[in-house]
Amino acid sequence: SYVLTQPPSVSVAPGQTARITCGGNNIGSKSVHWYQQKPGQAPVLVVYHDSDRPSGISERFSGSNSGNTATLTISRVEAGDEADYYCQVWDNSNDHNYVFGTGTKVTVL
Amino acid sequence: QITLKESGPTLVKPTQTLTLTCTFSGFSLSGGVVGVGWIRQPPGKALEWLALIYWDDDKRYSPSLKSRLSITKDTSKNQVVLTMTNMDPMDTATYYCARGFGDLLSVSWFDPWGQGTLVTVSS
Repeated sequence: SYVLTQPPSVSVAPGQTARITCGGNNIGSKSVHWYQQKPGQAPVLVVYHDSDRPSGISERFSGSNSGNTATLTISRVEAGDEADYYCQVWDNSNDHNYVFGTGTKVTVL
Repeated sequence: QITLKESGPTLVKPTQTLTLTCTFSGFSLSGGVVGVGWIRQPPGKALEWLALIYWDDDKRYSPSLKSRLSITKDTSKNQVVLTMTNMDPMDTATYYCARGFGDLLSVSWFDPWGQGTLVTVSS
């Protein structure tokens, strides 16, 4: 089955840029979606289709996808961005599975 | 406004069958590129997709759990039901339902999500 690998943690100072990677075999050929999950809360979609933002999501959140790595970028990081982040794809090559990444904890220093 | 809410037992015994209901509002599961999916999260661990039912009643299951899962919908009640057989303590997790959405011909992402319900498996 398809595997998405994320770094367990990323630390960033306020005002700086956080980059969270999501690795998968030829992930650039798939559409990648990103979710933010704060402690005790349900996940929230922050980026879909590699780089599109849902209504109400800050423009500080952006995404890119190429080759074997997709990236979620958080610009001008704020304390409120501290959360777990998950990437996700629809693997239409194998029984149409929905696959989540291993998750990354973003800590704002 | 789209909302989803999970309901079901908070405690089940090993070997029992778990039945969870997702009641939703603000969208219809009778047409369009839409579905309702179930995702779970063991305490302190990552999200794991379980199952999804599409607007046309097509169903998909996680390969690792396929033999234990069943998903159905009642369009008239705006409900989706997930059953999981032979529950084990390792199945202890928060179970979420979420609207599956996409474009063209495929459901691709999940938005929004319900608040989740914690299910503990213990004797």
